[in-house]
Amino acid sequence: ETGVTQTPRHLVMGMTNKKSLKCEQHLGHNAMYWYKQSAKKPLELMFVYNFKEQTENNSVPSRFSPECPNSSHLFLHLHTLQPEDSALYLCASSQAPTPTYEQYFGPGTRLTVT
Amino acid sequence: AQSVAQPEDQVNVAEGNPLTVKCTYSVSGNPYLFWYVQYPNRGLQFLLKYITGDNLVKGSYGFEAEFNKSQTSFHLKKPSALVSDSALYFCAVRDENSGGYQKVTFGTGTKLQVIP
Repeated sequence: ETGVTQTPRHLVMGMTNKKSLKCEQHLGHNAMYWYKQSAKKPLELMFVYNFKEQTENNSVPSRFSPECPNSSHLFLHLHTLQPEDSALYLCASSQAPTPTYEQYFGPGTRLTVT
Repeated sequence: AQSVAQPEDQVNVAEGNPLTVKCTYSVSGNPYLFWYVQYPNRGLQFLLKYITGDNLVKGSYGFEAEFNKSQTSFHLKKPSALVSDSALYFCAVRDENSGGYQKVTFGTGTKLQVIP
């Protein structure tokens, strides 16, 4: 698969579980992002990585823990989530960490916290 | 601070008619403006962007947008709508004076429904 891939596509987890979301980009980009998309709300930027270094943490609770081992892979580790964390989690990448470049998004992981 | 508004939650248009999806923005410096489209169960796809230069920007799938600095708008347009254009459309803005990497602000989205 080309572009940006995300696994799993759907995830149901209890509040005490630990799980991880995976993102991989096949575009040779240097910047990667995690977003949260909830119904009727604007896209919320969670984290930004530039050349594997975290450059933005948008006041995200510590129950979300990102990891970027290289420029092609991005993880979001989840633990002790709350029901209000149920949402579509989108990964994106861009060619460079400058604001004139558009972002390329994966299909998302639909997360349900029970 | 930067912000963007999409005043319409939903736009309905008949197939073959022209369509417009509205977007207004607020920035302190010059804006960088983007349109993205999201089909069901998919991520966002880039359509077009305005960075500088010609106010009329052409993008993918026959879409275009006009940057209007005096009205602080960046409306998305297409001369003839297709049923396959039915999707959720997002406008996004980045103030050139904002700090931080790539922190664009997205609108709440406009659902476009093209009626056969």
